[in-house]
Amino acid sequence: EVHLVESGGGLVQPGRSLRLSCAASGFSFANHAMHWVRQAPGKGLEWVSGLSWNSGSIGYADSVKGRFTVSRDNAKNSLYLQMNSLRPEDTALYYCARDDAFDIWGQGTVVTVSS
Amino acid sequence: QAGLTQPPSVSKDLRQTATLTCTGNTNNVGFRGVAWLQQHQGHPPKLLSYRDNNRPSGVNRPSGVSERFSASRSGNTASLTITGLQPEDEADYYCLAWDTSHSAWVFGGGTKLNVL
Repeated sequence: EVHLVESGGGLVQPGRSLRLSCAASGFSFANHAMHWVRQAPGKGLEWVSGLSWNSGSIGYADSVKGRFTVSRDNAKNSLYLQMNSLRPEDTALYYCARDDAFDIWGQGTVVTVSS
Repeated sequence: QAGLTQPPSVSKDLRQTATLTCTGNTNNVGFRGVAWLQQHQGHPPKLLSYRDNNRPSGVNRPSGVSERFSASRSGNTASLTITGLQPEDEADYYCLAWDTSHSAWVFGGGTKLNVL
């Protein structure tokens, strides 16, 4: 069965860093683009970042550009999001999603930025 | 970044038909259409309909999605039609498109569908 499992969320002070992980199973991870999408409490979905199967094409939302870095390790079937200089407005449930079809989603990991 | 416009809420009676809209421009909706996702409270989004160029073998809906859900597009406005509304259709619905002018994926603000 196809699965995505996010981890690494938590409570962090403004200005600090956090690294999220997304573990994939049940499909050929190396063949698919991957994305991070977040959802602030009570709000809608916001695309954060995405990268192609070979990391050759990477994109970021303006709201995180210069602070967040997406990466992947195809040998470990894993996607990562390094989040630096965190702000209170980064508080959200962070999902990883498969492919430019966004056809598979994880359950998400919660990031809370607060002093 | 530019977003897509969806009505905040739509209310329809049980067993009726609901049509949800998503309006953008030639750089996003008009480029290659939208994907539609459904999200029930406390759950991750679920893909209901592929964007124009993500359909395997011409099928618009992922496997397991009810035929009551159908997507269409006219110019820069995309629509999701849900026929024979059921209580379980009450959820938030989001459209998603690639925006060529911003080189970014953009979501609509979401529509909360109430089934009365």
